[in-house]
Amino acid sequence: QVQLVQSGAEVKKPGASVKVSCKASGYTFTSYYMHWVRQAPGQGLEWMGIINPSGGSTSYAQKFQGRVTMTRDTSTSTVYMELSSLRSEDTAVYYCAGGPTAWNYWGQGTLVTVSS
Amino acid sequence: EIVMTQSPATLSVSPGERATLSCRASQSVSSNLAWYQQKPGQAPRLLIYGASTRATGIPARFSGSGSGTEFTLTISSLQSEDFAVYYCQQYNNWPPEVTFGGGTKVEIK
Repeated sequence: QVQLVQSGAEVKKPGASVKVSCKASGYTFTSYYMHWVRQAPGQGLEWMGIINPSGGSTSYAQKFQGRVTMTRDTSTSTVYMELSSLRSEDTAVYYCAGGPTAWNYWGQGTLVTVSS
Repeated sequence: EIVMTQSPATLSVSPGERATLSCRASQSVSSNLAWYQQKPGQAPRLLIYGASTRATGIPARFSGSGSGTEFTLTISSLQSEDFAVYYCQQYNNWPPEVTFGGGTKVEIK
């Protein structure tokens, strides 16, 4: 079955960077675009950007332009999301998601806490 | 940016009753509209895509309708496991643009 398994929780200081991974299995890795979305505590869902695992092309939400970088490693079927210049407002659960129709598949989420 | 507005913010419903959730787009999104259910501590789950197509394994009591700017998610007879937060999402894979509504919490009356 399809699985997206994300890396574990992170605690970072303001100004640092974080890199979250999402390992895909159960399907052909290059078949679906992969999105990243985040959810601050008690808040709604916020789209961050998309990566095409086939060619590696990316597109980022304007809010995160210049601070986010999405990459992939086809040899391990893994996509990565790196967010830099972290601030307290970046404390959230970060999800990878994708699929053949809308976002059928989701990772379990990675809690990133930004605190001094 | 396309803004998605959901109403109401909270819906109090008794088990067995019908629930109707609304989602409005600030401009036409055609049928590129999905609905997700999220329970506390869990990732969202896809319910409906293409405005009206149920995702695999989703019970028939969930139905979606609408196109353009006005959309509705209907749960025909609420079960205990349906109490959750529901989000609508407009999506376009390429060029990518994705926005979510603010969510509707369906709670037990």
